Amino acid sequence: EVQLVESGGDLVQPGRSLRLSCAASGFSFDDYAMHWVRQAPGKGLEWVAGVSWHGTLIYYADSVKGRFTISRDNAKNSLYLQMNSLGAEDTAFYYCAKDVASGGWCTGLDRWGQGTLVTVSS
Amino acid sequence: DIVMTQTPLSSPVTLGQPASISCRSSQSLVHNDGNTYLSWLHQRPGQPPRLLIYMISNRFSGVPDRFSGSGAGTDFTLRISRVEAEDVGVYYCMQTTQAPLTFGGGTKVEIK
Repeated sequence: EVQLVESGGDLVQPGRSLRLSCAASGFSFDDYAMHWVRQAPGKGLEWVAGVSWHGTLIYYADSVKGRFTISRDNAKNSLYLQMNSLGAEDTAFYYCAKDVASGGWCTGLDRWGQGTLVTVSS
Repeated sequence: DIVMTQTPLSSPVTLGQPASISCRSSQSLVHNDGNTYLSWLHQRPGQPPRLLIYMISNRFSGVPDRFSGSGAGTDFTLRISRVEAEDVGVYYCMQTTQAPLTFGGGTKVEIK
């Protein structure tokens, strides 16, 4: 069974940093691109960042570019999101999600974790 | 960035009746490889989204055949042939043709 489990969400003060992790199991992690998507409470979905299966193709949303870094460790079946200079606008549930097709960039996001909550507040 | 616009924002439907949601993109979603990367997702309250349809009309594994997707270029539609109680929630279209990936604003489906 495919499982994605996010962790690392917390209450942090503005300007601080946080690192999210996503532990994957039940599929060949190193065959699939992975993405982070966030959702502010009561709001819609916002794509944050994505990384190809080999880790060399990476894109970010403009809203996080220069502050967030996505990475993956295929040996550990894990995806990460390093978030720096956090602001109130970053408060959201953060989901990791898997591409439906192997070897591509993003054909569709077929598996999602339950999400981890990041709250930025003083 | 490609802007995705969904209509309606809200759709009260009667059980057993059809429903449809439209999604329009600000530019063509045809990729250089010839494919169109338009997906539909469904999110129930308190749950993560789940994939229904990818590449316009491909139903994901386990998705009931009452869900269907159609469209081309910049105009796309999700149809539910006969709405069931479990279909309530918010539906999102999403384009993955070009980074940054973008979602529609969502359509809330509720039972009358």
